[in-house]
Amino acid sequence: ELKVEQNPLFLSMQEGKNYTIYCNYSTTSDRLYWYRQDPGKSLESLFVLLSNGAVKQEGRLMASLDTKARLSTLHITAAVHDLSATYFCAVDGSTDKLIFGTGTRLQVFP
Amino acid sequence: NAGVTQTPKFRILKIGQSMTLQCTQDMNHNYMYWYRQDPGMGLKLIYYSVGAGITDKGEVPNGYNVSRSTTEDFPLRLELAAPSQTSVYFCASRAQDRGHYEQYFGPGTRLTVT
Repeated sequence: ELKVEQNPLFLSMQEGKNYTIYCNYSTTSDRLYWYRQDPGKSLESLFVLLSNGAVKQEGRLMASLDTKARLSTLHITAAVHDLSATYFCAVDGSTDKLIFGTGTRLQVFP
Repeated sequence: NAGVTQTPKFRILKIGQSMTLQCTQDMNHNYMYWYRQDPGMGLKLIYYSVGAGITDKGEVPNGYNVSRSTTEDFPLRLELAAPSQTSVYFCASRAQDRGHYEQYFGPGTRLTVT
């Protein structure tokens, strides 16, 4: 059974600092997704990573995928308050379903 | 393109009542999903469908039913509502084209059972 773990679960960081969120999964997959959820809102797609070594960047966020290590990272550069949200990774298993991680709640303070 | 739409946005039910949460997508996606999200938690899959006439159970199907008579619609039925079903419900859809895996979410329905 595919399991997806994120860490940390909670992250409080100062504006201007860098940090990385980790997403580990338990079985082979070469498709991974990152979503953002603002409080009281739905999930918004951030990145779709479809192969080993894939790297995507949007603004201060950069996501990468290492399928051999079964690891994806979401790197935050020079955090700003607007990045405060919950971030989920999700992995394509061998079924027709995405398996979601538990989420990382990010809070950026001045 | 409206994407994935859900109705209602909010609903309060009394214990034992029933209701249907509506979900419609206009992207001609074959795959559709229902999730619930409890406060401060992640997503749990309730039911999903890979095409009209085909549905399957997810992680937490008890107390719910679904149907998929058309590609566009995937309603979720709650029978005999219980306080444990208080949650936010998200519908999502996804293309069957193997080159497009991205899953799109609706705005959610916030349900309270008292």
